[in-house]
Amino acid sequence: QVQLVQSGAEVKKPGASVKVSCEASGYTFNSFGISWVRQAPGQGLEWMGWISAYSDNKNPAQKFQGRVSMTADTSTRTAYMELRSLTSDDTAIYYCARDIQGRGNFDYWGQGSLVTVS
Amino acid sequence: IQMTQSPSSLSAFVGDRVTITCRASQGIRSHLNWYQQKPGKAPNLLISAASSLQSGVPSRFSGSGSETEFTLIISSLQPEDFATYYCQQSYSTPRTFGQGTKVEIK
Repeated sequence: QVQLVQSGAEVKKPGASVKVSCEASGYTFNSFGISWVRQAPGQGLEWMGWISAYSDNKNPAQKFQGRVSMTADTSTRTAYMELRSLTSDDTAIYYCARDIQGRGNFDYWGQGSLVTVS
Repeated sequence: IQMTQSPSSLSAFVGDRVTITCRASQGIRSHLNWYQQKPGKAPNLLISAASSLQSGVPSRFSGSGSETEFTLIISSLQPEDFATYYCQQSYSTPRTFGQGTKVEIK
């Protein structure tokens, strides 16, 4: 079955960086892409960007451009999202989600990784 | 593209018919998805392309609409349906979500 397993919770100081991983199983990793979505405490969902696992394509949301890096390692079937220059506003649960060819339909999600900036 | 859901919350009895509306700030054809999120869990895709039910999703869920106005209907609310529901447009980037509709027990 399709599974996305994310890295654990992190606590970071303001100004630091965080790197969240998302390991995929149960499907052909390099036939799909991964989108990253975050959710601040008690708030709604915010899309951060998409990366292809089969090409060099990526599409970060303009809000995060220059501050976010998304990578995909096909050898380990793992996607990564790094966010730099953290502030308290970045405190959130970060989710990875499978995204077929970047179409924006998120059919499988990771369990989420809580990042606390304090 | 801004997505606006209504209502923001509702209370209903088990067995009730529930309707949630999602409006897009511009036409998005049928590029609209619906997700269900339960507390402490990741969202779950219920409906894609405005009306296509995902595999394994009960048939009491249905979606309709196009361009700027969309509807999610739960025909007979069940105890496991109490959750927050989000619409999301997949027409263009950045992908955007509605603010959510929390469905609570009456």
